[in-house]
Amino acid sequence: QQPVQSPQAVILREGEDAVINCSSSKALYSVHWYRQKHGEAPVFLMILLKGGEQKGHEKISASFNEKKQQSSLYLTASQLSYSGTYFCGTEYSGGGADGLTFGKGTHLIIQP
Amino acid sequence: DVKVTQSSRYLVKRTGEKVFLECVQDMDHENMFWYRQDPGLGLRLIYFSYDVKMKEKGDIPEGYSVSREKKERFSLILESASTNQTSMYLCASSLFHLAGGPGFFGPGTRLTVL
Repeated sequence: QQPVQSPQAVILREGEDAVINCSSSKALYSVHWYRQKHGEAPVFLMILLKGGEQKGHEKISASFNEKKQQSSLYLTASQLSYSGTYFCGTEYSGGGADGLTFGKGTHLIIQP
Repeated sequence: DVKVTQSSRYLVKRTGEKVFLECVQDMDHENMFWYRQDPGLGLRLIYFSYDVKMKEKGDIPEGYSVSREKKERFSLILESASTNQTSMYLCASSLFHLAGGPGFFGPGTRLTVL
């Protein structure tokens, strides 16, 4: 029951906006977003719990739509440093001890 | 600076060998996880542990076992390595009862089985 991420890849110019979606066919407890740069370990970005709506910083934020069992990651005014592969990890029950089920990733390339 | 460390960045083994991958975290986290990462498949959970001497199967446990004798250390064991276990292996840890995260990942071990 791997979540489905879309798009698989996106190429942007610096300053453009991007949206990455993560959908589940199963009810979600939480969604976690990570970014991985080539040759490095994934780095945690944020968690969204069910019942929450949106969180994040100025330029990177995310939302969680419980009705659709979908989360979206928003990158506004993208910077070169945003390049990498973005993964969503989903959790289906609370307690924090089940591990995450990750999507296949979205490759984001930011060009100058 | 908090850390998850893995014993090797690169490892080359022969088919049939017993392989140990070690992971140590210094954050006093209860939960520890082993994932493998393959192109086009993302990260897949092999095993996890939420306490010392406890272990739970993830999505793809076949061909693997784990050991957690101390809270900070979680080992992944390939009993008899096979070529289809060539992959990047990532260890992660997280606090218990915190929605499974945030998770901190180690740098990964790229294992090649010949």
